[in-house]
Amino acid sequence: AQSVTQLGSHVSVSEGALVLLRCNYSSSVPPYLFWYVQYPNQGLQLLLKYTSAATLVKGINGFEAEFKKSETSFHLTKPSAHMSDAAEYFCAVRPPVPTQNSGGSNYKLTFGKGTLLTVNP
Amino acid sequence: NAGVTQTPKFRVLKTGQSMTLLCAQDMNHEYMYWYRQDPGMGLRLIHYSVGEGTTAKGEVPDGYNVSRLKKQNFLLGLESAAPSQTSVYFCASSYSLPYEQYFGPGTRLTVT
Repeated sequence: AQSVTQLGSHVSVSEGALVLLRCNYSSSVPPYLFWYVQYPNQGLQLLLKYTSAATLVKGINGFEAEFKKSETSFHLTKPSAHMSDAAEYFCAVRPPVPTQNSGGSNYKLTFGKGTLLTVNP
Repeated sequence: NAGVTQTPKFRVLKTGQSMTLLCAQDMNHEYMYWYRQDPGMGLRLIHYSVGEGTTAKGEVPDGYNVSRLKKQNFLLGLESAAPSQTSVYFCASSYSLPYEQYFGPGTRLTVT
């Protein structure tokens, strides 16, 4: 079974500082990995995804993430935080290919519990 | 394109009442999903559909039913609402398995 752990339910940074949001996954095979962002009272928006191509993935709004198989990690970073980055961020994982008798597990993303990012002026 | 839309945006129910949440997508996606989001729990899959006329149970299906009579619509029903179903419900859709899911804006449901 796959799972995702987001370290730190709340991260606070100053405007202009580095943003680092941590995500570790557990999967029997290298999975597909996603980062989503949720602004207050809105749905989730895809930031970036890893689907077994380049290990360093660039997304929208200046975010990027690096897939590290040896560390089973997919941490999200941004060199310089902006006030508009304040939101909740979710890491998600899913298997890369369908498997028999998966019970539908290939059809769903398994989400982490989220990290709330606060940006201080 | 409107993307994924959900109606209603807010709803308050009394225990035992029923209601249906509607999700619509205009992206011709085959796959559709219903999630619930609770504080500190992330998102949990309720039911999903891999095509018109198909539905399947997700992680937390009890107390919910779904139907996908048309490709663009995915309905989530609560037959007898319970306070434990107070949550924010998100619908999502995707073109196929490897592709990312697109989310609707959510429905905030309170059951008193």
